[in-house]
Amino acid sequence: IQLTQSPSFLSASVGDRVTITCRATQGINNYLDWYQQKPGKAPELLIYAASILQSGVPSRFSGSASGTDFTLTISSLQPEDFATYYCQQLDNYPLTFGGGTRVDIK
Amino acid sequence: EVQLAESGGGLVQPGGSLRLSCEGSGFSLSDHYMDWVRQAPGKGLEWVGRTRNKADRYTTEYAASVKGRFIISRDYSENLLYLHMNSLKIEDTAVYYCVRVPGSTRADLWGQGTLVTVSS
Repeated sequence: IQLTQSPSFLSASVGDRVTITCRATQGINNYLDWYQQKPGKAPELLIYAASILQSGVPSRFSGSASGTDFTLTISSLQPEDFATYYCQQLDNYPLTFGGGTRVDIK
Repeated sequence: EVQLAESGGGLVQPGGSLRLSCEGSGFSLSDHYMDWVRQAPGKGLEWVGRTRNKADRYTTEYAASVKGRFIISRDYSENLLYLHMNSLKIEDTAVYYCVRVPGSTRADLWGQGTLVTVSS
């Protein structure tokens, strides 16, 4: 199963609403997770099962699903949110990641 | 504190072997599915393989790129996870992370990673 993330790069300002999409090549029963990774650090889980917020993650992060299309939304971008975001499907082997979306400061 | 810590990375020649270790603290590795994920320098994340939990008899799955060369194993008494890497290729150069995956569907705990460099 291939995951296509878009955009691969976006430039945004603090306070902006940001949307990142991840499209799967087939159905994955909503077993889709989102991670945030900062330079030199391990990824951190934000959202699992497409829309469930991981404990401790700010509520400005949300996830949604429509068929094979998945969306990560940051409602109001904060300075600490500038990072790279990845989606991952955990429904079928081999597990796969999207190519990543880098969010930079405008 | 609940955490994972990888070790064993380093420089190895093409065709060589290396064993990575991952030590769990604050929880039992045996209760969880555990994955290895890697990231080549400047690149995205790539899933390497998985070992299921004790209830699912520690069975394994691998990415096509490493199947037949890499083996995931556990030391049950020492709460350790291993990644045995054989016939290493230059394209195996990456930071390798061990990852806890409760319920097989969310990677909620990552180690800090260990760098493997395959070069002559």
